[in-house]
Amino acid sequence: TQLLEQSPQFLSIQEGENLTVYCNSSSVFSSLQWYRQEPGEGPVLLVTVVTGGEVKKLKRLTFQFGDARKDSSLHITAAQPGDTGLYLCAGPLGYKLSFGAGTTVTVRA
Amino acid sequence: GAGVSQSPSNKVTEKGKDVELRCDPISGHTALYWYRQSLGQGLEFLIYFQGNSAPDKSGLPSDRFSAERTGGSVSTLTIQRTQQEDSAVYLCASSALLAGGRDTQYFGPGTRLTVL
Repeated sequence: TQLLEQSPQFLSIQEGENLTVYCNSSSVFSSLQWYRQEPGEGPVLLVTVVTGGEVKKLKRLTFQFGDARKDSSLHITAAQPGDTGLYLCAGPLGYKLSFGAGTTVTVRA
Repeated sequence: GAGVSQSPSNKVTEKGKDVELRCDPISGHTALYWYRQSLGQGLEFLIYFQGNSAPDKSGLPSDRFSAERTGGSVSTLTIQRTQQEDSAVYLCASSALLAGGRDTQYFGPGTRLTVL
């Protein structure tokens, strides 16, 4: 059983469209992280959100942390083919990280 | 190198053989983690090393799996008598374990293991 549930599992959109990926849990986390992983590479940290209700923006990417610190979302505006990849959310369990199963995003040119 | 490196990048082995996977963490990072990523799954924690402390082996799926970290740097994950269900990408990560728990793990590119 995944502690962090991500949806959707797969997302395929046209260049220029917007998309949102969700990460939900029944547990409260002190922080949540979002990673992007490209084929043949390890995950790369995009952002860490630490405060309930927090919104962080990274160029065209907007990350939200739920008020209750149980959920998070990643919104991409005007997606580009370079945004293609596996997006993973992760929350700390002590020094370990618990990962969601990931959302595979494909942006078609 | 500047990042975490892993070798080999790909390993194909026959069922029943032993394999060794290597991880070189970022210099100076005291914490080292091994994860397993199966197709369509997130990352599954396997083992954690921190300095000279006893490793946390709670994620190892069976006693066929073992890992060591020599000199607080390089780590080797060993899988004995491999089974087909061991096929996965094995990822290593290291971190500086900064105070306050705002830690960033840096991942290597992984070793793709295929057991025939």
